Amino acid sequence: NAGVTQTPKFRILKIGQSMTLQCTQDMNHNYMYWYRQDPGMGLKLIYYSVGAGITDKGEVPNGYNVSRSTTEDFPLRLELAAPSQTSVYFCASSKTGYNEQFFGPGTRLTVL
Amino acid sequence: EDQVTQSPEALRLQEGESSSLNCSYTVSGLRGLFWYRQDPGKGPEFLFTLYSAGEEKEKERLKATLTKKESFLHITAPKPEDSATYLCAVQAPGEETSGSRLTFGEGTQLTVNP
Repeated sequence: NAGVTQTPKFRILKIGQSMTLQCTQDMNHNYMYWYRQDPGMGLKLIYYSVGAGITDKGEVPNGYNVSRSTTEDFPLRLELAAPSQTSVYFCASSKTGYNEQFFGPGTRLTVL
Repeated sequence: EDQVTQSPEALRLQEGESSSLNCSYTVSGLRGLFWYRQDPGKGPEFLFTLYSAGEEKEKERLKATLTKKESFLHITAPKPEDSATYLCAVQAPGEETSGSRLTFGEGTQLTVNP
């Protein structure tokens, strides 16, 4: 099992550009999450999904969009990138809403 | 609003020097408290879940304990490979359908010198 995989590992964007961060899990987990981690701050939930076709906003959703067409994949879309979106992004999954979450290796994004 | 405070922010130990990391929390009822380890440039790695006051869990040199207001991560005779950032997170009841929303602390950066 690869667990949770994320691509790309690093990306530099110019202000106003768009991109999609990819996330795939092979554990057949229903729940998937996107977090961002800024220096000196705890992980903040951006969006989550409780199953294919079902998504909802987390704590910091502005500037992002998600979709969940399959159990395995949960891409995060950044539209009109802004410097405030410079961060490390982590995707995670869990079997149920009460189980531990398994995290991917992260994507380090810089917006200049 | 749920809150998690971890202390100290950073801790430097000599190999073999035991110590504890603290996680204080404020939550409207506790469904679970999670400990994670995060190495530089990597995603958090799950360590423990604690559910009720008095509960303890162990894994190698690590032992996690829980009271009604805080959790401790005790590190016994640490080795350099225990160097990492340790994250604590809490989950309140009734949040399974709202995305298993975890509130994370900022972490304690542990360095163990040989």
